[in-house]
Amino acid sequence: DTGVSQDPRHKITKRGQNVTFRCDPISEHNRLYWYRQTLGQGPEFLTYFQNEAQLEKSRLLSDRFSAERPKGSFSTLEIQRTEQGDSAMYLCASSLAGGTFTAKNIQYFGAGTRLSVL
Amino acid sequence: QKEVEQNSGPLSVPEGAIASLNCTYSDRGSQSFFWYRQYSGKSPELIMFIYSNGDKEDGRFTAQLNKASQYVSLLIRDSQPSDSATYLCAADYNDKIIFGKGTRLHILP
Repeated sequence: DTGVSQDPRHKITKRGQNVTFRCDPISEHNRLYWYRQTLGQGPEFLTYFQNEAQLEKSRLLSDRFSAERPKGSFSTLEIQRTEQGDSAMYLCASSLAGGTFTAKNIQYFGAGTRLSVL
Repeated sequence: QKEVEQNSGPLSVPEGAIASLNCTYSDRGSQSFFWYRQYSGKSPELIMFIYSNGDKEDGRFTAQLNKASQYVSLLIRDSQPSDSATYLCAADYNDKIIFGKGTRLHILP
């Protein structure tokens, strides 16, 4: 396995359009996280899944954002009616829950999808 | 509000010297802590993780954790120009990872 894969790497869209990003985690990992990162800030937690269940969603996330992980493998993050403030790097990370404590929730990141809303 | 605080820097360190990066966290409930390195335009890369009080060493890197003071640090020995990056401190709060804003490190040749 080559790690966490994200697609596309870059997305330019016009304000008001919908966009969808995909993340393929490391194959044996059961947890998948989505983050948003803007310039000069650390990654901001958006949501996470364990297998196909979405366990937590940030209160900062508006109703325009939705994420799915239908079969517990890849995940999609959709942003509806994009706004200029949505411009950011969207990062996906995966980890293995239920392993030994020493390996607990060590997250490995994909390369990210950079979104620009014009 | 669970927070992880870092000095944003930049921290400038001469090549070959020890770089010391610090981080504090707000919630004593956190069990695990992470240091990630992030080059400009790239995604975070795991450097170290630590969950027990004391020091953990891996090559040129040493992570230090003091749960009583809610303090985590990262030491980089024999700093190299390739260590110039942003270093992100993160804490695991009940499986949700909270990141600090990162410290920019410049290694001066």
